[in-house]
Amino acid sequence: NAGVMQNPRHLVRRRGQEARLRCSPMKGHSHVYWYRQLPEEGLKFMVYLQKENIIDESGMPKERFSAEFPKEGPSILRIQQVVRGDSAAYFCASSRSGLASYEQYFGPGTRLTVT
Amino acid sequence: DQQVKQNSPSLSVQEGRISILNCDYTNSMFDYFLWYKKYPAEGPTFLISISSIKDKNEDGRFTVFLNKSAKHLSLHIVPSQPGDSAVYFCAANLRSNFGNEKLTFGTGTRLTIIP
Repeated sequence: NAGVMQNPRHLVRRRGQEARLRCSPMKGHSHVYWYRQLPEEGLKFMVYLQKENIIDESGMPKERFSAEFPKEGPSILRIQQVVRGDSAAYFCASSRSGLASYEQYFGPGTRLTVT
Repeated sequence: DQQVKQNSPSLSVQEGRISILNCDYTNSMFDYFLWYKKYPAEGPTFLISISSIKDKNEDGRFTVFLNKSAKHLSLHIVPSQPGDSAVYFCAANLRSNFGNEKLTFGTGTRLTIIP
C-alpha cells in the first residue's frame, strides 16, 4: 500500500539549470497538490491539479515554474533557470477528492539545493 | 502576510505531562483546521482536524480546541510520549475561487518530549 512517492529525494542544480520534481499520488487518488517549504517557514500552497488539468495555480510564481499531471505518469513540477532562492523542500500531496476530502496525504518531499 | 501563526517555535515537555501547542489565525473565512506532525526528512502526516462549527474534537491522546471568537486553536497531547517529539504544523482550509480546498500552514512548533 504505497503512499505518495516523490523523486528525487534530493536534487542539486547549478543556477540557470532546470529542475524536474516528480510525484506519484497514492493509488486511487486523482488530485495532486504541490507545496513549497522555505527554510524556517511553513508549507506554502503552489498549485492544485487533477488529471490533465491545472485547477488552481494561484500560489505558483508567475515565471519559470510550471506543473502538469498527465493522463499517464506522475505529476511533474518544473522549475526553469533555477536561482538560489528556489532552494527549498517541495512537497506533493494527494487526495481522493478536491472537495469532499480534507485529508491530504503528503510525500516525503524533494529537497532542492541550488548552488 | 502570515494568516496562520504559530508563535512558539519550540516547546519542551516532560514525558507523561500535557503538551499544549497553540495556533492563531486571521482569516475568518477558514472553515476547517488541521494539525500535521512532521519528522525530519519526511512529509507531514495528518493528526487531527476540526470543523469551524465545532469547538472541540478528541482522538485518543489528542484533543483540538477551537475558539472562533479569539481566532485561536490549540492541540493538547496527554500524556506526552517520547515518540511525540516532532514538528507540529497547524493548517487552515479555505475553499478557493476554483472550488478546491487549499491549506494554509503555520510555521510549525518543534515539540521535544523529555524522558
